[in-house]
Amino acid sequence: GQQLNQSPQSMFIQEGEDVSMNCTSSSIFNTWLWYKQDPGEGPVLLIALYKAGELTSNGRLTAQFGITRKDSFLNISASIPSDVGIYFCAGHGGTSYGKLTFGQGTILTVHP
Amino acid sequence: EAGVAQSPRYKIIEKRQSVAFWCNPISGHATLYWYQQILGQGPKLLIQFQNNGVVDDSQLPKDRFSAERLKGVDSTLKIQPAKLEDSAVYLCASSLSPGAFPNEQFFGPGTRLTVL
Repeated sequence: GQQLNQSPQSMFIQEGEDVSMNCTSSSIFNTWLWYKQDPGEGPVLLIALYKAGELTSNGRLTAQFGITRKDSFLNISASIPSDVGIYFCAGHGGTSYGKLTFGQGTILTVHP
Repeated sequence: EAGVAQSPRYKIIEKRQSVAFWCNPISGHATLYWYQQILGQGPKLLIQFQNNGVVDDSQLPKDRFSAERLKGVDSTLKIQPAKLEDSAVYLCASSLSPGAFPNEQFFGPGTRLTVL
């Protein structure tokens, strides 16, 4: 089945630093989604990408859909303490009826 | 607009007992998903409904798990009997429909199940 490799597994950064995380797949995806999950809550959608090469921003967040359609990255600029959480990438292959495949998550810790 | 609602938020049971979870999707969303999220992992799809029909249940352990969405709105997920390895967060999500653009899934807060 489809698998996503997300890296890094965890990051410890200082407030104000920029953050970058990425996802790679063995299969082509038609849609990439990035979610954030806070403790005790469900994932919240941050950014959705629908075209290869697409670069999309949402405030301090920027994500790109890789040209090969097998990867995506998420950047967070000028991190703040509330950025703490687990970030998941998710891909939709198009052949599976709406099914999303999730990465293992990146745990982000921001020190004030 | 109200989000995806789930209940209960927490449940503790002993192995071999039964448990049921409830989900109410966002109004107008035809597609409903149940995911299992084990600690330290990403969500894994258990079952997907389109209206009240099952679209994908290939990863649902059907010997112990069942789910229904009788009127195409609310859904229940049941585990009977529960095993220790079923301890996880069970997430419900909904989307307009797989063919809709954008096809974005919105998640509820989840039910944290602990099996002792």
